[in-house]
Amino acid sequence: QKEVEQDPGPLSVPEGAIVSLNCTYSNSAFQYFMWYRQYSRKGPELLMYTYSSGNKEDGRFTAQVDKSSKYISLFIRVSQPSDSATYLCAMSATGVGNEKLTFGTGTRLTIIP
Amino acid sequence: SQTIHQWPATLVQPVGSPLSLECTVEGTSNPNLYWYRQAAGRGLQLLFYSVGIGQISSEVPQNLSASRPQDRQFILSSKKLLLSDSGFYLCAWSSMAEAFFGQGTRLTVV
Repeated sequence: QKEVEQDPGPLSVPEGAIVSLNCTYSNSAFQYFMWYRQYSRKGPELLMYTYSSGNKEDGRFTAQVDKSSKYISLFIRVSQPSDSATYLCAMSATGVGNEKLTFGTGTRLTIIP
Repeated sequence: SQTIHQWPATLVQPVGSPLSLECTVEGTSNPNLYWYRQAAGRGLQLLFYSVGIGQISSEVPQNLSASRPQDRQFILSSKKLLLSDSGFYLCAWSSMAEAFFGQGTRLTVV
């Protein structure tokens, strides 16, 4: 079993819809959770960063962590074609820089105009 | 602010040729540095990481090596490329939990 599981998609939704992206994990020590957005042929860019359980909102994006279920989500409201990208989740236990991040494989998202 | 530079963006090399990819970070001191390879549908594979000058840890046995000759410089090398070395190579740095990536190098070995 992989430490982090992420549905690879592809996921296609119409413009304006709410998008829900998810990851599950098995390591209960994970406390720091990140979402990255990666456009085609580009490096991943950090989108959201959360610590422990709860919600964090940034504009149209909301990151949600449920540690009891070992489940994290990223919601995108009022989706736009420019949101079309691959979204990767990542997590770590200590939050210390020399700990390696554990990544999901990424979900490819397409927003249809 | 911190920035990370990675070059070249694309590279086509023949089998058996050497490789050198360079990554530099600006605006931070003593960063942790990483080399990843990304294959389609397989996510990010950590190849090497470094917590300081001359300190390199290898995650996966392979045809590649890494060096950190200066605090903010990280180099990925190979003496003889294999077809299987083709892929998208990403350099990243971190100081806390989150990592920041360069724009990547798409390497095609022919």
